[in-house]
Amino acid sequence: AQRVTQPEKLLSVFKGAPVELKCNYSYSGSPELFWYVQYSRQRLQLLLRHISRESIKGFTADLNKGETSFHLKKPFAQEEDSAMYYCALGTSYDKVIFGPGTSLSVIP
Amino acid sequence: ETGVTQTPRHLVMGMTNKKSLKCEQHLGHNAMYWYKQSAKKPLELMFVYSLEERVENNSVPSRFSPECPNSSHLFLHLHTLQPEDSALYLCASSQGLGSSNTGELFFGEGSRLTVL
Repeated sequence: AQRVTQPEKLLSVFKGAPVELKCNYSYSGSPELFWYVQYSRQRLQLLLRHISRESIKGFTADLNKGETSFHLKKPFAQEEDSAMYYCALGTSYDKVIFGPGTSLSVIP
Repeated sequence: ETGVTQTPRHLVMGMTNKKSLKCEQHLGHNAMYWYKQSAKKPLELMFVYSLEERVENNSVPSRFSPECPNSSHLFLHLHTLQPEDSALYLCASSQGLGSSNTGELFFGEGSRLTVL
């Protein structure tokens, strides 16, 4: 079965503290993993993808096929990082499945 | 207008009504999607169209009927809905299979549906 789980519904961290948003997936094929973000009153948008191995807004994510995880990390959280974060799995035939999301709140 | 646009932004309908949601993308993409976002459930994939052919129908009730007349337009026809169908319906597009950007979805702002 194809599935994405994000164990934390809500996550609060202080400004300047490290943040890690967890994501695990289940897929028998070769996965493509993404993180999407939705800021308040904005549309859902792509944050980063595992293929490009880039850092966006200080966030990075490493695909660990052994643990079937794709956790999102940032060493120093900023207030503007407060948003809803969704992990997503791309499978065959353009199908993209989303996890339930984690609401990140950065406390000043 | 650029990007993905959805109309109407808000819709209130009775259970016996027939209405349609419209999505239009101006990005030259080949794949289009309908997702349902409700308070109690995660973002649910409903339908995927790739090159105007439906490639995914995720066990959606027949009271939801998608239509993709061309690669730029996607409709969701609604008929005899239930109150539990009230949700935010999101449209998205992507370049599609074979492109290096598979999986990068561009979303509309959504159509907020309320079924009375």
